[in-house]
Amino acid sequence: EAGVVQSPRYKIIEKKQPVAFWCNPISGHNTLYWYLQNLGQGPELLIRYENEEAVDDSQLPKDRFSAERLKGVDSTLKIQPAELGDSAVYLCASSLDRTYEQYFGPGTRLTVT
Amino acid sequence: GNSVTQMEGPVTLSEEAFLTINCTYTATGYPSLFWYVQYPGEGLQLLLKATKADDKGSNKGFEATYRKETTSFHLEKGSVQVSDSAVYFCALSDPWGGGADGLTFGKGTHLIIQP
Repeated sequence: EAGVVQSPRYKIIEKKQPVAFWCNPISGHNTLYWYLQNLGQGPELLIRYENEEAVDDSQLPKDRFSAERLKGVDSTLKIQPAELGDSAVYLCASSLDRTYEQYFGPGTRLTVT
Repeated sequence: GNSVTQMEGPVTLSEEAFLTINCTYTATGYPSLFWYVQYPGEGLQLLLKATKADDKGSNKGFEATYRKETTSFHLEKGSVQVSDSAVYFCALSDPWGGGADGLTFGKGTHLIIQP
């Protein structure tokens, strides 16, 4: 069974530029999560999707971050414009539903210069 | 709100030593507890879990017991190997507790095993 796929694995951009991250969850998993992991810290939830609906986005900085999950499968997380403080690893995870364990992708390491 | 506190690292041990990584939690409901491991250059992997009080999760020689009375979920292994070197995260999920969804993680403990 294929795991959670994320791309790109690494991204370097200049500040004020836009950037997008893509996630393909495990087949059949209805719940999808985006987490932010700063260096030396544990992941922090940004947004949770149940199928195509964003049901918890209270931690997403909506002035510059946006996300979508078209057709309830793949998801894209976008930052526009990026700031130096956005440098971090962005993790995607999926689960059958909110009560089951989450499986994580390898993450996208973003460096903003 | 929910929170997880785990011991600061790095923790450096010799091969075959006994390992304990402490983890305590605060939750509003009845959480499930997890240990995740992150090997260098890889994503988070679920190591073990426990869903109710007194449950013991185990995998690959690692164990942790859900202690509601002490709100703890300490990770133990009787004899560590060099290949166990990684960052270990304690986490909780409390989907019915009324708090934020998703996992709440500790800051992680970097474990270094020397041959």
